[in-house]
Amino acid sequence: NAGVTQTPKFQVLKTGQSMTLQCAQDMNHEYMSWYRQDPGMGLRLIHYSVGAGITDQGEVPNGYNVSRSTTEDFPLRLLSAAPSQTSVYFCASRPRGGLSGYTFGSGTRLTVV
Amino acid sequence: DAKTTQPTSMDCAEGRAANLPCNHSTISGNEYVYWYRQIHSQGPQYIIHGLKNNETNEMASLIITEDRKSSTLILPHATLRDTAVYYCIVRIPYSGGGADGLTFGKGTHLIIQP
Repeated sequence: NAGVTQTPKFQVLKTGQSMTLQCAQDMNHEYMSWYRQDPGMGLRLIHYSVGAGITDQGEVPNGYNVSRSTTEDFPLRLLSAAPSQTSVYFCASRPRGGLSGYTFGSGTRLTVV
Repeated sequence: DAKTTQPTSMDCAEGRAANLPCNHSTISGNEYVYWYRQIHSQGPQYIIHGLKNNETNEMASLIITEDRKSSTLILPHATLRDTAVYYCIVRIPYSGGGADGLTFGKGTHLIIQP
C-alpha cells in the first residue's frame, strides 16, 4: 500500500493563479481531510470529507474548495492564490472505525509570490 | 474537543525514557486522548490513543490519570529518531458521519540528546 499520496511536493504560484493539490489514498478510507501548517504552528483543518460526495468546512476554509467524487481522491483547489496561503499542506485519511488514528501524507510545500 | 496544555519543549538523553505530559482538565466522558508526532518536515504520525485505561503498543505507552484530567506519553528507550514535535489531542472518535478532523495545538518539541 502506498498510503496517502500528495502531489506535487513543491509548488510556486503567482498571486491570482489557481491550482489543485492532489491527495489520493489506497486504503479504502472513508474519512479524509486537509490541513495547513504555517511556520512554528500546529496544523489547522481546512476541509474534511466523511465519504464520497460529502464535504464540509473546517477551521480555515476561506479561499479553498474541495470535492469528493471517489473514495480514493480528495483534491484541494486554490481558486485565486494569495501570499497568505503560503504554507505546507497535509492530507490525511482514516477508516470508518471511530477509534482509528489518521494516516497523513508527506505534504505539499506551497509558496505564493 | 477539549483543550490541552503541553510544555513547549523537553530534552531527554538517548536511551532513557521520555515522559511527555499533557493536561486536559476539561475532558468529557466520551473523549479519548490521542497522541501524534511530527518529525521535521514530515506529516504527523499517529502513536497511540486511550480512554481511561493505560495503553501500550510497539511505539509507546500512555498513562491516563484516574480522574482523566492529565496523561503522560512514555517513550521507553528514546533514540535520536524520536526527536519530533509531539501533539496531545483530545477528541470524540466520530464514526457515524458529522464533524471530523483533528484540532492541533503547538505540541511539545522533544529533543533527544546523544
